Amino acid sequence: QSALTQPTSVSGSPGQSITISCTGTSSDVGSYNYVSWYQQHPGKAPKLMINGVSNRPSGVSHRFSGSKSGNTASLTISGLQAEDEADYYCTSYTSNTTVYVFGTGTKVTVL
Amino acid sequence: QVQLQESGPGLVKPSQTLSLTCTVSGGAISTGTYYWSWIRQPAGKGLEWIGRVYTSGNTNYNPSLKSRLTISVDTSKNQFSLQLNSVTAADTAVYYCARGPNSNNWYSVDYWGQGTLVTVSS
Repeated sequence: QSALTQPTSVSGSPGQSITISCTGTSSDVGSYNYVSWYQQHPGKAPKLMINGVSNRPSGVSHRFSGSKSGNTASLTISGLQAEDEADYYCTSYTSNTTVYVFGTGTKVTVL
Repeated sequence: QVQLQESGPGLVKPSQTLSLTCTVSGGAISTGTYYWSWIRQPAGKGLEWIGRVYTSGNTNYNPSLKSRLTISVDTSKNQFSLQLNSVTAADTAVYYCARGPNSNNWYSVDYWGQGTLVTVSS
């Protein structure tokens, strides 16, 4: 089971919006609404930002939103802030024996 | 508030067994319908899901590690554990314990330990 594909890096200026893609297959992203997104700052544990494609857990800023089309899920960060600079990972349930698969990760830089 | 804490040796020799324990606080590990996972991250690289255990002892493993892997749970101690046999330098990573992924939470991992670095070296 290969990892879900994400762009290596995405950047934007403060206040702008950026979108991170997460491409899988019909065995994972394309067939299930079980896509989650995690934010990880250096030296820290990941933090759940989005689950169920577009649900925001309590306490997560409304600037973070998720969506899905076909085999590709997306995370959008609106009103980019310096504190959003981090690595972001998508995940999905998969019907393959792996059960759970992470994306390759995207480094977000705030210019 | 659920909290998880990893513990175990930070240095393991090649070919030996890596053993880690995760202690859960803030609630009984057997409360609710939760799976508990191990996830690792080599330095400068991405996250890799290792496997998960249910409170009944049922497990799911990453096929790439399955032949060397055992994940177990001890509900009396509110702990779950990881054993990875025949380790090599490629197993050097920060190891996280976590709650999930669970179908009742959109297959997400909602609580994480702080992580513990395990180095495989002679």
